[in-house]
Amino acid sequence: EVQLVQSGAEVKKPGESLIISCKASGYSFTNYWIGWVRQMPGKGLEWMGIIYPDDSYTRYSPSFQGQVIISVDKSINTAYLKWSSLKASDTATYYCARRQGSGWNWWFDSWGQGTLVTVSS
Amino acid sequence: QSVLTQPPSVSGAPGQRVTISCTGSSSNIGTGYDVHWYQQLPGTAPKLLIYGNNNRPSGVPDRFSGSKSGTSASLAITGLRAEDEADYYCQSYDTSLGSSLYVFGTGTKVTVL
Repeated sequence: EVQLVQSGAEVKKPGESLIISCKASGYSFTNYWIGWVRQMPGKGLEWMGIIYPDDSYTRYSPSFQGQVIISVDKSINTAYLKWSSLKASDTATYYCARRQGSGWNWWFDSWGQGTLVTVSS
Repeated sequence: QSVLTQPPSVSGAPGQRVTISCTGSSSNIGTGYDVHWYQQLPGTAPKLLIYGNNNRPSGVPDRFSGSKSGTSASLAITGLRAEDEADYYCQSYDTSLGSSLYVFGTGTKVTVL
């Protein structure tokens, strides 16, 4: 069974750094891209970026380029999302998701449970 | 700002049929990229509902169906049930300059009356 298990909720102050994680199991981690999706309170889904665990090749949405860093440690089947300096506007639930598909048609077939990040002074 | 537009809400009585539209453009759905649908029950993570325009993953009831035409797509729910009350999102691929590659719709809240 494919599973993506994310790290727990975080409460941080503006300016602090943060790394959240997404541990994969039940499939060959290096063969599937992992994406990150933001959902602000009461709002919709926004794609942030995606990484290929085998070589760490990463693509970012223009809206998130330079704001976060996506990485992986393939030795422990885990993807990460990192902020260097949080802002109140980063308050949201963040999901990791496995990409599936072929050609130019891609979807996210398995999702983590989400990590709620709250940034408040 | 999402490039795929959905109605904010739709509602129906139990047993009825409801449809949710997803309107894109020539840089995404109109290019021929497939549309996929996700269901997000309250307080939970999104779940894949339809992939490749009209394919259901194992375990998804056949009450859910998808279609695509031109620059738009639709999700239909027949025999509406109380447990279908959720938010629904479409998703496609977009290659226009400066766009996010993976674009989601604005989301639609389905209410069962």
